[in-house]
Amino acid sequence: KAGVTQTPRYLIKTRGQQVTLSCSPISGHRSVSWYQQTPGQGLQFLFEYFSETQRNKGNFPGRFSGRQFSNSRSEMNVSTLELGDSALYLCASRIQETQYFGPGTRLLVL
Amino acid sequence: GIQVEQSPPDLILQEGANSTLRCNFSDSVNNLQWFHQNPWGQLINLFYIPSGTKQNGRLSATTVATERYSLLYISSSQTTDSGVYFCAGPMGGKLIFGQGTELSVKP
Repeated sequence: KAGVTQTPRYLIKTRGQQVTLSCSPISGHRSVSWYQQTPGQGLQFLFEYFSETQRNKGNFPGRFSGRQFSNSRSEMNVSTLELGDSALYLCASRIQETQYFGPGTRLLVL
Repeated sequence: GIQVEQSPPDLILQEGANSTLRCNFSDSVNNLQWFHQNPWGQLINLFYIPSGTKQNGRLSATTVATERYSLLYISSSQTTDSGVYFCAGPMGGKLIFGQGTELSVKP
């Protein structure tokens, strides 16, 4: 089976812009979670989607949003980018209790 | 909620040496996972280990859930073992990660 894929892998944006990241889970996995990783805060949970419904949400401002499609692919969107949004964004798909991570999208906000 | 603490924060080894990484968790964790993050950022599953001991090649892990800790053993380390090792426990569908142990294996 193919693993979790994320696109794009690298992205450079400027403050105030918005960005959309995409994640395709492992075939058959219906749960997709997003995490933000920064040097200062470590790995932090953003949200989880299951069957197109958001099941959990982390402690992030409303500028961070996401959605899941009927084929389980997920997108996350960050509006009005700030310098502090520069991070590695990781997507994971889950089967039972085990989560499998994609390669991540590195976002740099200038 | 659960908290996850890892030690040591950094570790430098000579190739061929053995090491033990520790993960303490503050609340009852049923499904502890260990990950290795390679230099490119990819998080790779090492073990799903709610309790007991598992081995995979040169790596093994032990979780003592009643005492709320897990250990990751790396034997005969290689330069490709370098990276950051995370343990994580689930809470309501999300994973709570420790701060990681950054391992550097020198040739």
